[in-house]
Parts: sequence; C-alpha cells; structure tokens
Amino acid sequence: DADVTQTPRNRITKTGKRIMLECSQTKGHDRMYWYRQDPGLGLRLIYYSFDVKDINKGEISDGYSVSRQAQAKFSLSLESAIPNQTALYFCATTSWGAGELFFGEGSRLTVL
Amino acid sequence: GDSVTQMEGPVTLSEEAFLTINCTYTATGYPSLFWYVQYPGEGLQLLLKATKADDKGSNKGFEATYRKETTSFHLEKGSVQVSDSAVYFCALSRNTGGFKTIFGAGTRLFVKA
Repeated sequence: DADVTQTPRNRITKTGKRIMLECSQTKGHDRMYWYRQDPGLGLRLIYYSFDVKDINKGEISDGYSVSRQAQAKFSLSLESAIPNQTALYFCATTSWGAGELFFGEGSRLTVL
Repeated sequence: GDSVTQMEGPVTLSEEAFLTINCTYTATGYPSLFWYVQYPGEGLQLLLKATKADDKGSNKGFEATYRKETTSFHLEKGSVQVSDSAVYFCALSRNTGGFKTIFGAGTRLFVKA
C-alpha cells in the first residue's frame, strides 16, 4: 500500500458543486501539504499544516479550505468549484528537518 | 521571495545521449536543493538532494552540484535511457518561517530509442 493515499484519483464535477479531496498517510509525519499542478507552472502550494491545530495558507489558497482531522489525515475542499480549478492536486508529507517531500499519486479534478 | 527557474522543455534526446537540465534559484540564506522526478501517471518522488554549498547529490546515474556562487543546481546524466522519460522538477526549501518547498515549472524529457 502507498504511504500517502489520495482519494478520489479522478473526479469530474460541475461548476458550483462542493468537492472534497482526501489524503491519508502512514509515514507518521507531522507536516502535510496540498499542492496544485498546472502545465508550465510547476507545483503551487495551496495550504499546509504542521500539526492538527496548525493550518497555514499557501500562495494560492483563495477558493479552497482544508481540514486536518488527525495527524494522518488532511483534506482539501472546494466550496464552490469553478472551471479554473481544473488541475492535478497532490498531497505531500514530511517530517521536521528532513526536507524530502513524500507525495501521493495525485487527484485529477475536472470542473465543467 | 524565493524562486526557482529551470529550463523550459520539452527536451528530446536519443538513448545514451548526455543530459543537462539547468536550474537556478533565488533565496536568502542557505536553502536545501532538490530534484524530483514525475513518471507518467505518478506523483513526484525525490531523485536527489544537496543541503549545503558544494555538496553533490547523486542517484540512478543522475548528479547535481550545489553551486552557491552561481546559485545553480544543474541536473546531469551521462547516458540517458528510454526509462528516464519523465518530468523533472528542481526545488528548494528552507526551514525558516515555515517549512515550505518551492518548485520550478518542470522540464519534460523524452528519450528516443
């Protein structure tokens, strides 16, 4: 089983719908991140969390919210999806001081 | 703020050719530098890293040297294989003000048999 699991892997939805992407990890890491990947733009940070009580905005947090339900679970929500949120979303984890990020396999979201 | 710039792709090479993907960065202090690789349909995975100036990271025949004087971390491989076809991301991170990783735009590599 993967160390970082994202669900769903693919989702097609309509403008205005609420969408939740979920991430769970078995690595025991305290730090979790949500990134968005768009062609030619690399990965951009949406939100990150250093522990259950700590939530921080990244560079592109508008239109998104997150919840850290437990150390191992970090979900990303789009309250009212719009077409320009069509992208590949990645969850990642790391431990303090390690530097290396461990990624899930991604969730491809299409908003029509 | 911190940033990473890497050469645009796609890069197309024949098998056994020499590969260089350029990466330069802007950051205060002493960031750690990384190369991540993304194979088709997969998430990113760490390829190599360097944590201080003049360090050389290496893995699977790939190498990159942390050059503080030129703020560069170019990726090289002496002989590429078809299986190296992927997207390569240069990245930096600093453990100050929150531990965040900044990525370059990615460079797609195609290797032809």
